[in-house]
Amino acid sequence: RKEVEQDPGPFNVPEGATVAFNCTYSNSASQSFFWYRQDCRKEPKLLMSVYSSGNEDGRFTAQLNRASQYISLLIRDSKLSDSATYLCVVNYRNQFYFGTGTSLTVIP
Amino acid sequence: DTAVSQTPKYLVTQMGNDKSIKCEQNLGHDTMYWYKQDSKKFLKIMFSYNNKELIINETVPNRFSPKSPDKAHLNLHINSLELGDSAVYFCASSQEYGRVAVETQYFGPGTRLLVL
Repeated sequence: RKEVEQDPGPFNVPEGATVAFNCTYSNSASQSFFWYRQDCRKEPKLLMSVYSSGNEDGRFTAQLNRASQYISLLIRDSKLSDSATYLCVVNYRNQFYFGTGTSLTVIP
Repeated sequence: DTAVSQTPKYLVTQMGNDKSIKCEQNLGHDTMYWYKQDSKKFLKIMFSYNNKELIINETVPNRFSPKSPDKAHLNLHINSLELGDSAVYFCASSQEYGRVAVETQYFGPGTRLLVL
């Protein structure tokens, strides 16, 4: 079983739409959680950390549910520039585990 | 000013050759990593070094040998390259605090390796 699982998509949404991604992790003792963004042929870059209380950064909202071991990312008012692959990342015992990523394409 | 840099960006080589990829970070981080991203885009940890000491060594062929001359550098040497080694190799770094819950990672731009 993979440590981190994500729906690979692809998600194709119109501009202005709201889209949500979920991710589950297998180890209940995981310590920290992140969403990364990876553009085509580029390196992954941190989008946001995910805190237990949930956190928001502009149009992006991240939630963590430790009881169910899942993490979510909500993107409101999608922009064309949001098109990318979104990677769910979990840290357990100082090792980062990456999901396979969810592909998002925002269509004009 | 680049935080994590890798050279070369592209590497095309024949099967059986030996090649090296270099990585440097100027963030003052203690921990550096090598990841492999295959054609299915899955990012998998290969090695991790903390203050020049190997702390993670996933199941990779022993043809892959990391070397960390100092905590700002982590190089990857690959012997006897095979077709299946073709992938993008990313270097990353992060800061650890008391070996608990490391902060986020910063990635280099990647090295695209193609073995013919």
